[in-house]
Amino acid sequence: DAGVIQSPRHEVTEMGQEVTLRCKPISGHDYLFWYRQTMMRGLELLIYFNNNVPIDDSGMPEDRFSAKMPNASFSTLKIQPSEPRDSAVYFCASSDRVPTEAFFGQGTRLTVV
Amino acid sequence: AQKVTQAQTEISVVEKEDVTLDCVYETRDTTYYLFWYKQPPSGELVFLIRRNSFDEQNEISGRYSWNFQKSTSSFNFTITASQVVDSAVYFCALSEAIQGAQKLVFGQGTRLTINP
Repeated sequence: DAGVIQSPRHEVTEMGQEVTLRCKPISGHDYLFWYRQTMMRGLELLIYFNNNVPIDDSGMPEDRFSAKMPNASFSTLKIQPSEPRDSAVYFCASSDRVPTEAFFGQGTRLTVV
Repeated sequence: AQKVTQAQTEISVVEKEDVTLDCVYETRDTTYYLFWYKQPPSGELVFLIRRNSFDEQNEISGRYSWNFQKSTSSFNFTITASQVVDSAVYFCALSEAIQGAQKLVFGQGTRLTINP
């Protein structure tokens, strides 16, 4: 298996623009997680899905952030409009049962200027 | 609330030395899981180990070993005969085991540098 695949690996955008991060989980995994990593706050969970249904989005910072999982093999995290404080590394992870280890993608480094 | 504390922000040792990374956690749950992840300079997060709260046996995997002590709420990680390739940021994490709350709460990480 190719593992969790995220795209793009790097994204630089201007403040106010819409940003869409993409994730393909490991085939057969029922759980998908979006994490954000910053120097100030470390790794924090934004939202997670079980069987394509959002279960807990309490970590989503504000309404500018939204996540979808239209099918078992694809998820998006969208920021609209983006702000410089959204600059971070965004990780997607998936797992096949609960609780077990989550396998992480390589992350998307987002820079908002 | 759950919390994971990795008090050591940075550690630097010379190759072949043994090094222990500390992890202390807080939870009100009786059933929970503990994890260690490695983040090398390339940036990805690599799973190392998972332990459940009912299994306090220490574990050894090659040069890596883990010491889980519920009495002190600690889950420490030791690298024996460290190598330059062990240089990375290491994260300890805690997860609840109840359905609907499957979240990893991470510590702030320990940056380990192994010098040749």
